[in-house]
Amino acid sequence: AQSVTQPDIHITVSEGASLELRCNYSYGATPYLFWYVQSPGQGLQLLLKYFSGDTLVQGIKGFEAEFKRSQSSFNLRKPSVHWSDAAEYFCAVGATMDSSYKLIFGSGTRLLVRP
Amino acid sequence: DTEVTQTPKHLVMGMTNKKSLKCEQHMGHRAMYWYKQKAKKPPELMFVYSYEKLSINESVPSRFSPECPNSSLLNLHLHALQPEDSALYLCASSQVVLPMIVTQYFGPGTRLLVL
Repeated sequence: AQSVTQPDIHITVSEGASLELRCNYSYGATPYLFWYVQSPGQGLQLLLKYFSGDTLVQGIKGFEAEFKRSQSSFNLRKPSVHWSDAAEYFCAVGATMDSSYKLIFGSGTRLLVRP
Repeated sequence: DTEVTQTPKHLVMGMTNKKSLKCEQHMGHRAMYWYKQKAKKPPELMFVYSYEKLSINESVPSRFSPECPNSSLLNLHLHALQPEDSALYLCASSQVVLPMIVTQYFGPGTRLLVL
């Protein structure tokens, strides 16, 4: 069955430090992978996505992610974190179902930023 | 414009009330989704509409009744809810390009409290 694992529940980094959020997926076919960010009480905003092609994808707000098929991973990175990046981050894989598709989300990683 | 709007932002209702949540998008998307999100958890898919027809119902209790009156609107009718139904309800929309998986765009959500 398809699944997404985000092994880190919380991560704390200092402002200006680099960031890596881990995501591992289980999916039989070529995965369609997403990273979303959610500020408290808000909806989800798409940071970036991987469908095919270049395995290093660039997103908004200076984020990037690298798809590694051999490791079943799609880790999110940012070279220098800003205080406004504090939020919940969700990794997701798209899975087709009959005449539609669904997103399977990981449990999320909460990012805290130290001043 | 990648905007999905949801009204109301907040809703408090008693267990005997009937209320509705509304979602609207004008991106020409023909798939629309309802998710439920409890605190500190990822979103859980409830319903998917594709071309205004219900295509996925994730075994949601009948006290939740979705409706898609046209390609831009999605409603969620609520009746006889339980306190455990209190959550953030998120709407999303996407194109339909099956079998490809495409990006879902989320609204800001409706925060529901059932007393």
